[in-house]
Amino acid sequence: DIQMTQSPSSLSASVGDRVTITCQASHDISDFLNWYQQKPGKAPKLLIYDASTLEAGVPSRFSGGGSGTDFTFTISSLQAEDIATYYCQQYENPAFTFGGGTRVEIK
Amino acid sequence: EVQLVESGGGLVQRGGSLRLSCAASGFTFSTPWMHWVRQAPGKGLMWVSVISSDGSNTNYADSVRGRFTISRDNARNTLYLQMNSLRDEDTAVYYCAFGKVVMTQFDYWGQGTLVTVSS
Repeated sequence: DIQMTQSPSSLSASVGDRVTITCQASHDISDFLNWYQQKPGKAPKLLIYDASTLEAGVPSRFSGGGSGTDFTFTISSLQAEDIATYYCQQYENPAFTFGGGTRVEIK
Repeated sequence: EVQLVESGGGLVQRGGSLRLSCAASGFTFSTPWMHWVRQAPGKGLMWVSVISSDGSNTNYADSVRGRFTISRDNARNTLYLQMNSLRDEDTAVYYCAFGKVVMTQFDYWGQGTLVTVSS
């Protein structure tokens, strides 16, 4: 089974800061990597799919990159409403794995 | 509007059984592959199971294989998760979810139903 190592597990940044989260797969997963945002008490929300494609309606300050085993998720200018936990998720037929999550807080 | 409404959660004794349901509306339920994803209190997300559009293919996370069974009734627009031999570590909010175009991502999620396994 593919393992996903996501880091950091938490971070604190100021409004306007650039924030980067990484996700590393234990095996090559091509670009089968998605990113989700989850706010407390809510279901996750898909932000980016296929490693770098922005879901419709998602602000352009969110972006993703990478392929193979190493992936990044970036918020170019952190906003107060971005406070949430972010998860990567991989798909390798026929199973799915989430990263451990990154809790993003405002400094 | 796409809606997924889970039900059937509750308090169950260790070793007991529970069946979750996910009522779907606002889309052609018989089209997408459907998933269950769970989240233990204060913990991260864990994929549980997937079922193909016609129900002929299923897969499970190793930790639930042999104890959980996913099924669907396309005539009733409902997804199910039969959970047997429940363990403490199965305590979680269970979400149903699906991808609108491909089964490799989760575009739509329900609000979740809480399952608590107690001794």
